[in-house]
Amino acid sequence: DQQVKQNSPSLSVQEGRISILNCDYTNSMFDYFLWYKKYPAEGPTFLISISSIKDKNEDGRFTVFLNKSAKHLSLHIVPSQPGDSAVYFCAASALIIQGAQKLVFGQGTRLTINP
Amino acid sequence: NAGVTQTPKFRVLKTGQSMTLLCAQDMNHEYMYWYRQDPGMGLRLIHYSVGEGTTAKGEVPDGYNVSRLKKQNFLLGLESAAPSQTSVYFCASSYSSQREFFGPGTRLTVL
Repeated sequence: DQQVKQNSPSLSVQEGRISILNCDYTNSMFDYFLWYKKYPAEGPTFLISISSIKDKNEDGRFTVFLNKSAKHLSLHIVPSQPGDSAVYFCAASALIIQGAQKLVFGQGTRLTINP
Repeated sequence: NAGVTQTPKFRVLKTGQSMTLLCAQDMNHEYMYWYRQDPGMGLRLIHYSVGEGTTAKGEVPDGYNVSRLKKQNFLLGLESAAPSQTSVYFCASSYSSQREFFGPGTRLTVL
């Protein structure tokens, strides 16, 4: 049962244009959502996050939108740069015990920015 | 400040062999996690720890054991490796209930 889904395995975007990565979830208990970026042969690195009480969070070129009623979130990158080429993972968080979280990851979307 | 480190980076095992993967963090984080990444499946939680001396099962714990004897270290053990355990293993740590810091990964192949 895939609780967090990224239905696009890959996405190709022209440099300078907007990249939009999508993520859907099924569990309404998730209270925090994160995007991680991963380069080959490296571990994932945190990119941006959003609390379930918000519908938008912005950090420079990156904006995450959350639509709770649709159980959908998206990551917008504007403008896209060649260095943004990576695999992007959506993750949803639910508290377990003692403040520790359980992150549930989507399958990832490989973003390629073309010059 | 090295962050999260993992040892070894690569390993090839034969079916039935055992090994231990070591994760170390120097950020004084309370929480540590072990994930595996397989093609098309994202990262799945194997085991986690909320503090020194404590461990708990995650989503896919079968075939693995863990120990957290020191706050900075989290060990993942495979007692009898199987080809299904061929994967890339990531360790992570966190200080709050949200953002996790990941290590560079260990690529394990079981023949």
